[in-house]
Formats: sequence, structure tokens, C-alpha cells
Amino acid sequence: EVELVESGGGPVKPGGSLRLSCSASGFPFDSYSMNWVRQAPGKGLEWVSSISSSGSHILYADSMQGRFTISRDNVKNSLYLQINSLRAEDTAVYYCASGSRGHDAFEMWGQGTMVSVSS
Amino acid sequence: DIQMTQSPSSLSASVGDRVILTCRASRNINNYLNWYQQKPGTAPKLLIYAATTLQSGVPSRFSGSGSGTDYTLTISGLQPEDFATYYCQHTYITPITFGQGTRLDIK
Repeated sequence: EVELVESGGGPVKPGGSLRLSCSASGFPFDSYSMNWVRQAPGKGLEWVSSISSSGSHILYADSMQGRFTISRDNVKNSLYLQINSLRAEDTAVYYCASGSRGHDAFEMWGQGTMVSVSS
Repeated sequence: DIQMTQSPSSLSASVGDRVILTCRASRNINNYLNWYQQKPGTAPKLLIYAATTLQSGVPSRFSGSGSGTDYTLTISGLQPEDFATYYCQHTYITPITFGQGTRLDIK
């Protein structure tokens, strides 16, 4: 069974840091690009970052450049998102999502992990 | 950046209805258009990719069409489980962007 499980979210003070993780199982993780998407409470979906299957190609949304770092470990079947200098506006559910073979859509999604930034 | 505009923002319909949701891109996205369904408290689910291709396991009452800047998601014969929020997404260039969503609820 295909599964993506995020972890690492929680409450954090402004200026703090978090490392989100996404553990993958049930599919050949090292053959798929991976993505992070976030959703602020009551709002729509916002693309954060993408990483190629090998990790050699990385993309960020403009507003995420500099504070967000995506990475992956294909031995551990895991995806990561390091977020530094957290701000209130980073409060959101963070989803990891796989790419697809043959097209660019986000095929498989985790259940999300909530990041809450507040003093 | 390519802006994705969905209409309507919300829609009330009845079981059995046929509904059409629209997504307009601010420039030609060459069918790099995907549709997702999201129910409250759950992750989005891919319904249609490349504008018209139904994702495996998705019921055939869902269909997608369009080209250039204008795309539609049609649900023919609404079922109770279809009441949700629907998002379009382009993957033509970065940044990837989503529409603001169309909330479909029961009349």
C-alpha cells in the first residue's frame, strides 16, 4: 500500500526553525520527484518546493527562497523540509506529495503536518 | 507568475446534477492542467491530469476538457461523496500555482 506520512510539525515561536519529514512506502521512492505543498487555515493550496528523483534538481516558490530547504534521502525513503526564521504567515498544514511517472501532477499525498507559528 | 482563476468560487447543487467548474489561466499553459478534490480535514486527491486524463480509480462521471487558457471539470451525475472543494493547478512552468478553489455543496 502506498503511504506518505509527514511528521515534525507543531507549535513554534516566530524566528524558530523546524524540520519536517515525510516517510514514503509502497512505491519506488527513488524514481519519483517529490513536492511540498502548504495550506493555511481556511485557505487554498500553495506550492512550496519540488525536488527531482535524484535530488539534483530543486525548485522553490519565490516567497520560500532563502528560508526553506528541501532535501531527500533515497536510502531512507524520506523527504525533508527545513524551515528557518519562521513567521506567523508560515502557519499551515504542510503536505508532501509525490510526482508522477509520465506527467507532472501530484499523484500521492500524505495526510499533512500542522505548523503553528505564534508567540 | 501564471495566475489561475476558478469560477464559481462556490456552487450549490443536488445529487444527480451535472456541474461544470471552470479554471482560467493568465496565459497559455498547453494543457499542463490538473484537477484535485479536497474534503474537509483531508489531503487533496488527484482527479485529472494533463487537462483530460482521468487518474486511475477515479469514477468516470468526472471529466476534464479545455486548451490554451480555459479548462473545465465536469461532474455528470453528482454523488453525495462529490461534495467537496475542487482545485485546478498548472505545472507548465515554475512557480506552480493553484486556483483559489471551487466549493461544491449540497443544495
